[in-house]
Amino acid sequence: DTEVTQTPKHLVMGMTNKKSLKCEQHMGHRAMYWYKQKAKKPPELMFVYSYEKLSINESVPSRFSPECPNSSLLNLHLHALQPEDSALYLCASSPHPTGRAEVYGYTFGSGTRLTVV
Amino acid sequence: ELKVEQNPLFLSMQEGKNYTIYCNYSTTSDRLYWYRQDPGKSLESLFVLLSNGAVKQEGRLMASLDTKARLSTLHITAAVHDLSATYFCAVGGGSEKLVFGKGMKLTVNP
Repeated sequence: DTEVTQTPKHLVMGMTNKKSLKCEQHMGHRAMYWYKQKAKKPPELMFVYSYEKLSINESVPSRFSPECPNSSLLNLHLHALQPEDSALYLCASSPHPTGRAEVYGYTFGSGTRLTVV
Repeated sequence: ELKVEQNPLFLSMQEGKNYTIYCNYSTTSDRLYWYRQDPGKSLESLFVLLSNGAVKQEGRLMASLDTKARLSTLHITAAVHDLSATYFCAVGGGSEKLVFGKGMKLTVNP
């Protein structure tokens, strides 16, 4: 299995809703990432988990709450989002935060397209 | 702060033509990646460049890295319509961060 699987593929939510995005990989990768990509813009890093611990939070608003229950799974919990949070949310993984991560690069999931109404 | 610049940001070219696109970055890094993204889709890894002078080729695309000049190039040979997409370069910015350029939207016309 060489994929990063994200669910759902599409999500429409109201500003008072609570929802979660899910990301799963079974490649034994020990670093997992959340990126946000607005239309016609490059991806922007949100969070990094290394060995299931949060290592980077790029000053993301608290209405986004990441969780890494185990080495294969990464969640992004959403609450009280704003319409400007509508974007493509990409999950990625790499074998190791440093070292051989460079050799294999990063594997991206297909993304969740989120619309906040 | 690491900054990554791509140029051009938009390119329209005819099938069969060649072209080179550029990716500059502002601070020392030993990791550079090229990705392709089709509209509404995720990022597809094209190349991982790890050392000065690295050159990699896949089909009609060839990427190179000059770490001293902090420059990577992506050369397109005999373009075909299927190459139409947005191409991002990304640079390793510290142990875990990946900083992307703005992307270059390529349109190959028949």
